[in-house]
Amino acid sequence: DVVMTQTPLSLPVSLGDQASISCRSSQSLVHSNGNTYLHWYLQKPGQSPKLLIYKVSNRFSGVPDRFSGSGSGTDFTLKISRVEAEDLGVYFCSQSTHVPTFGGGTKLEIK
Amino acid sequence: DVQLQESGPGLVKPSQSLSLTCTVTGYSITSDYAWNWIRQFPGNKLEWMGYISYSGSTSYNPSLKSRISITRDTSKNQFFLQLNSVTTEDTATYYCARKKDPYSYFDVWGAGTTVTVSS
Repeated sequence: DVVMTQTPLSLPVSLGDQASISCRSSQSLVHSNGNTYLHWYLQKPGQSPKLLIYKVSNRFSGVPDRFSGSGSGTDFTLKISRVEAEDLGVYFCSQSTHVPTFGGGTKLEIK
Repeated sequence: DVQLQESGPGLVKPSQSLSLTCTVTGYSITSDYAWNWIRQFPGNKLEWMGYISYSGSTSYNPSLKSRISITRDTSKNQFFLQLNSVTTEDTATYYCARKKDPYSYFDVWGAGTTVTVSS
């Protein structure tokens, strides 16, 4: 299995701050077709996960542009500029280059 | 809009089988996409379990391969999860979700159903 390691586990922020979450994979996520299948999800309290970013840096439909993704190979980052109250919840990275796996989650909470 | 809804028993005894249904509305499961089961353990860990594709082919997580079966009823636009020989470690919230192809992201999720394995 490809192990996905997220840091930090918990991220206290003030509204309006920038937040950054790191995700590292135990193997390269570059597929033989050249694509990198690294995605980000947000799970708000009491809800199922919802897709934010797909293939490293592509915002899903309806996702605000304050969310951005970057990275390559085994190291990836999700950035949220100007955190809003609706952004609070648990963020997961996930890879589907290999058998799909997920990171352990990063809880974004108010400082 | 496509919607997915899980249903099934909330309590299963150890060594028995867990059976869940995902009912899809707003899209035919035979038109396209792969239809997945994912579970979330207490403490938030997510595990992909497997899928059945629009053509009926299946793919399973190797960690579950001996215990899992995903089938479908196209007349009801439903797909099913069966997990055999459950233990307390199978206690989780079970989600059904859709993705475009084996390498794609999960773009639509159900609300989830919690299953507890206990005697």
